[in-house]
This record gives sequence, C-alpha cells and structure tokens, in this order.
Amino acid sequence: DQQVKQNSPSLSVQEGRISILNCDYTNSMFDYFLWYKKYPAEGPTFLISISSIKDKNEDGRFTVFLNKSAKHLSLHIVPSQPGDSAVYFCAATIIQGAQKLVFGQGTRLTINP
Amino acid sequence: GAVVSQHPSWVICKSGTSVKIECRSLDFQATTMFWYRQFPKQSLMLMATSNEGSKATYEQGVEKDKFLINHASLTLSTLTVTSAHPEDSSFYICSARDRRVSPLHFGNGTRLTVT
Repeated sequence: DQQVKQNSPSLSVQEGRISILNCDYTNSMFDYFLWYKKYPAEGPTFLISISSIKDKNEDGRFTVFLNKSAKHLSLHIVPSQPGDSAVYFCAATIIQGAQKLVFGQGTRLTINP
Repeated sequence: GAVVSQHPSWVICKSGTSVKIECRSLDFQATTMFWYRQFPKQSLMLMATSNEGSKATYEQGVEKDKFLINHASLTLSTLTVTSAHPEDSSFYICSARDRRVSPLHFGNGTRLTVT
C-alpha cells in the first residue's frame, strides 16, 4: 500500500525555467509534509516542509503547495539551476505519534543548460 | 544545522558475517533515531525506530533478529546486520531529529555489499 506516490519517475527542465514536482498521498491523517533532495550515495537533504494548516510555504527558490482536499502537494523550483539536478522525495508524517516518515518513490530532476 | 554522521560509508563483507553500522547525532541529542533502507531506484523504506534506553520498534516484515539495533546513548544508534546474505546488499540510512516537531536529518548512508 503506497501511501505516498510520486507518479513521475523523472523530469527534465531547462535552466532558468520552473520545475514542478508532484506528490499524492492517500492517508488523510498525514498532517506534515516534507521535500528532500538526494544525490547518489548520499543521504537525503531536507529542503522544505509544510504543515496541513497551511496551503503554501516559500523558502527562496522553493515553494511547496498543499491541496488537502485533493491530497496533493507540489514543489516548485524557480528559477531552476543545474545544481538542482537530483532525486527529489516527498514525505509525509503524522505529528502526534511516532512521526515516522513515509516516502514517495522519488522523481529524478534533470536541469538542462 | 543539525548533523547526523553515519559510518562506514561503504562496506563489503562475505556472506555469513555480521556488519555494524553506526549513526551519531553530532550536535544534538536524539532520543529517537530511524533506520531506513533503499533499494536501487526505489523509495526509502523505514526498517525500525531506535529508542534510547529501550528496545527498537521494527516495521512489519523486518526481522529483528537479523537487524539488531542498539541505541545506547542519546547520540549513538547502531544497526548490526547479522549473518549477512547477498540479498541484504542495500543502502542503509539513519536519521534523527533534534526537536519533537522538526525535519529529520539524515546521515550519508552506508552502502553494504555482501558477496
């Protein structure tokens, strides 16, 4: 049972344009969502998060949008830079409780010069 | 920011031997650490939750006698893969958080290859 899904295994975007990565979840109990960036043979690096009481959170070039009714979140990166090329994982958790993260399958983002 | 250190970064061992992986929180105390496993081109799967001073909580399908977890202090958790087999070859990653509601910080992972 895949509770967090990233349906696009890969995405290619031109440098300077906007990258939009999508994530869907099925468990309505999730109330905290995170995006991580991962390079090969390294651990994930935290990028940005959003609580279910918000629908948008922005940090520099990164913005996360949450649509609770659709159980959907997205990460926008603008402008995209070559250094953004990596695998991006969305994750979800329930704050009250063990706070275990459930990860999506990841989307490999490639930024083309 | 919070740093989680994992050691070794890669290890090759023979089938039947045991391997220990260390996870340290360098600048904060972590009462809870998490151990994940990632197969190639797949998501990170939670294996177990490591609790300081008590037994680890294992996810369904994870053999607790095979993957021994010890959380002896507030800054150190260890994962021992006992009697390793080639199918245990994977990328193991630990994580911890420094406050109750804060993002998990991950170690750099350990690539285990069992020959």
